[in-house]
Amino acid sequence: DGGITQSPKYLFRKEGQNVTLSCEQNLNHDAMYWYRQDPGQGLRLIYYSQIVNDFQKGDIAEGYSVSREKKESFPLTVTSAQKNPTAFYLCASTLGTANGYTFGSGTRLTVV
Amino acid sequence: EDQVTQSPEALRLQEGESSSLNCSYTVSGLRGLFWYRQDPGKGPEFLFTLYSAGEEKEKERLKATLTKKESFLHITAPKPEDSATYLCAVGLGGGNKLTFGTGTQLKVEL
Repeated sequence: DGGITQSPKYLFRKEGQNVTLSCEQNLNHDAMYWYRQDPGQGLRLIYYSQIVNDFQKGDIAEGYSVSREKKESFPLTVTSAQKNPTAFYLCASTLGTANGYTFGSGTRLTVV
Repeated sequence: EDQVTQSPEALRLQEGESSSLNCSYTVSGLRGLFWYRQDPGKGPEFLFTLYSAGEEKEKERLKATLTKKESFLHITAPKPEDSATYLCAVGLGGGNKLTFGTGTQLKVEL
């Protein structure tokens, strides 16, 4: 079955560390997105990519970086510059918004 | 400034008690209104896309409607398995980007 796989499900980061969240899709979707979800807040867009080797900043890109070297993969790195990284991170992809986004199951990142 | 507001924040219903969730928006250049369902600890699941005022879509006990300023998600005779957070989002600008509301947490009790 086609879908989006995010790993790991839970991730713990020490202060000053960079960590990378994985997102892989086998839906043949061109566009991929990273959102952050915090309690009481809507999903906020971090980065998005419409094609391979191209990506754009979303509303809260500071402290994050991405790459899009393959159509199937869109990893997100949370750098030490992100001061409040504890959150639920969601990756999504779409063929076109008429079909909506397909979301992964998320990665919960906690700073320890 | 583009805004998406959902109400109520939380809703508790008895099984079979129909109700509606609201999503109001103030955006320029709307490119679709989207409804998603999210279970705890999981990613959102796509429900509906609406594009034009007057448009309606249905799926089992759910029916979504759209006006020029808001959308409603009507839940008819809900069951406990309908308990979830329902998210509304609007499509804006290029890149198929979505802006989400904060959601309505629905709990349906026996």
